[in-house]
This record gives sequence, structure tokens and C-alpha cells, in this order.
Amino acid sequence: DVVMTQTPVSMSVSLGGQVSISCRSSQSLVHNNGNTYLSWYIQKPSQSPQLLIYKVSNRFSGISDRFSGSGSGTDFTLKISRVEPDDLGVYYCGQGTQYPYTFGAGTKLELK
Amino acid sequence: EVQLVESGGGLVQPGRSMKLSCAASGFTFSNYGMAWVRQAPTKGLEWVATISYDGSSTYYRDSVKGRFTISRDNAKSTLYLQMNSLRSEDTATYYCTRRREPPDYWGQGVMVTVSS
Repeated sequence: DVVMTQTPVSMSVSLGGQVSISCRSSQSLVHNNGNTYLSWYIQKPSQSPQLLIYKVSNRFSGISDRFSGSGSGTDFTLKISRVEPDDLGVYYCGQGTQYPYTFGAGTKLELK
Repeated sequence: EVQLVESGGGLVQPGRSMKLSCAASGFTFSNYGMAWVRQAPTKGLEWVATISYDGSSTYYRDSVKGRFTISRDNAKSTLYLQMNSLRSEDTATYYCTRRREPPDYWGQGVMVTVSS
């Protein structure tokens, strides 16, 4: 199975600040078809996960451009700029390149 | 508006069975692969199973293979997860998700507790 390692486990941020979350995979996420199936999700308190970014850097419908994804191969980053109160929660990366699909353990974003 | 509404959860004894349902609306259900993802209490996300748009292909994580069956009824726009021989480690909130990759819309989740 592909192991997804997220860092940090948790982080504190001031409103209006910027954060970066790292996600590393134990194997390359480049699919045979050339696509890289790395996604980012946010799970707000007591809610279901919501898709933010797919295929490394594509923002899902309705997602603010304050969220950006980058990376390649095994090393990926989610950046959030101008943090707002509604951004707080747990962020997960996930890979859909090979079965079983796997997720990182999550990064909890809290207010400083 | 895409909506996924799970039902069928609850408390069940180890070794018994339970069937989850997910009623979909707001999109053409028969055009999309679907999946189940679960989350144990205070834990992270764990993919469980995926089914293709027409039901011809299914995929499972090893720990549920042979015990769980994912299926769909496109006429009813409903996804199912039949869970047999349940174990305590199957205790989790189960989410119905749309699309094989990436899971773009998620239901509100249904809790399954396996305990005697």
C-alpha cells in the first residue's frame, strides 16, 4: 500500500496568515496514464470531508484561490493564504493512483 | 445540488450483518463511479470500496474483502454496502462518496458500532 505522510501533525496560524502543509507518498503517484492523482480535503469540526484540490493543483468547484496545491512524484504541498476562520479544521491528502486508495493521517489547523 | 444521504447504521453485534444505503440526487447517478470511505472514532480516513458507474467493476481494501459487498441500483439512484461478519474494528462513520477519483462529494455519514 502507498503510505501517505503528512507534516506537521498540527499547526497554529493567525488570521490573515499563510500556511503550508506537506504530504509525501511512499511511492510515485504518477499513474500509467500520466496523471498524478493527489487530492486535498478539509474536514471541519463535526462535518464530512470536503474536496479542495485534485490532481495536485486543480481547485474543485467553488474553492477559493487562496488554496493552492503543488508538487510532483512523491512530494506535495498545500498552501493556504490569508487564512480565514472557516479554514480551520483537519486537512487530509489522499492518493487515487493505485488501490487501495490511501490518505494521510491529517494536519490540524488551529488558531494561534 | 448534489446530495448523498446515507442510512442503515446503528449498533450491531460482532459477527452479524448490516446493510448501508446511500440515496443520491442532484446528478445523473448512472454516470458516476461511487465509493465508501470510513472514519473510526477520532481517527483518519480509510477507503473501503469502489464501484464503477455501471457496477461491472468493484474494488475492496483487503481487510473487508470477502466480508463486504458494494453494489448499486441505478434505477433507484442508490448505492449499497452489505457488511457481513462484522468486527469491532469495523466501527466507524461510513461516508458515501461520488466519483472514483477523486471523491468529490461526500454524504453526512452514518455511524456503525460493532459491539456486544
